[in-house]
Amino acid sequence: GDSVTQMEGPVTLSEEACLTINCTYTATGYPSLFWYVQYPGEGLQLLLKATKADDKGSNKGFEATYRKETTSFHLEKGSVQVSDSAVYFCALSSPARGSNYKLTFGKGTLLTVNP
Amino acid sequence: EAGVVQSPRYKIIEKKQPVAFWCNPISGHNTLYWYRQNLGQGPELLIRYENEEAVDDSQLPKDRFSAERLKGVDSTLKIQPAELGDSAVYLCASSPEGLAGGETQYFGPGTRLLVL
Repeated sequence: GDSVTQMEGPVTLSEEACLTINCTYTATGYPSLFWYVQYPGEGLQLLLKATKADDKGSNKGFEATYRKETTSFHLEKGSVQVSDSAVYFCALSSPARGSNYKLTFGKGTLLTVNP
Repeated sequence: EAGVVQSPRYKIIEKKQPVAFWCNPISGHNTLYWYRQNLGQGPELLIRYENEEAVDDSQLPKDRFSAERLKGVDSTLKIQPAELGDSAVYLCASSPEGLAGGETQYFGPGTRLLVL
């Protein structure tokens, strides 16, 4: 079945440090790939997505590139802020029963950014 | 635009008691999802509705869990009786009707359930 493996946390960085959270996936066909973020006390929010190979998703300074050859979708940011502290989930969307798709999530990576 | 609304936000019950969660999706979203998120894990799909029809309930433990989406708008997820292992966050999400795999799902804040 489909699966997502992401870097174990927690990750602790100082403000303005570079961030990389690794994500690899296993899926049949050509899934769409997502990064969701969960801020403390809030629901999951879409951070960025990519729907085909070599696409780059970007938002709020975060980027991730859909690499089909390495089945990866690593999340990167050049300079993190305290407000980026959250749990980050990598996910893939694949065909499901009926006419829609379902999301398969990784376990999440807790990021803490210190001032 | 209002987001996905869930209630209650927190619920503490004793084992063997029933519990129900309510979700109101974003207006116009035909597809509704219920997920369970265990501590330290990603969300796992329990059931997916397209309008009133449950099109994927393969992961729903049907001996104790039930769900309904009357009139194709809001939805209720019920557990009866609850067990200790049901302690988790129950998330509701919705998305516009569509066949594209890149559709974004919009999540509610979740209901945190603790079974004692």
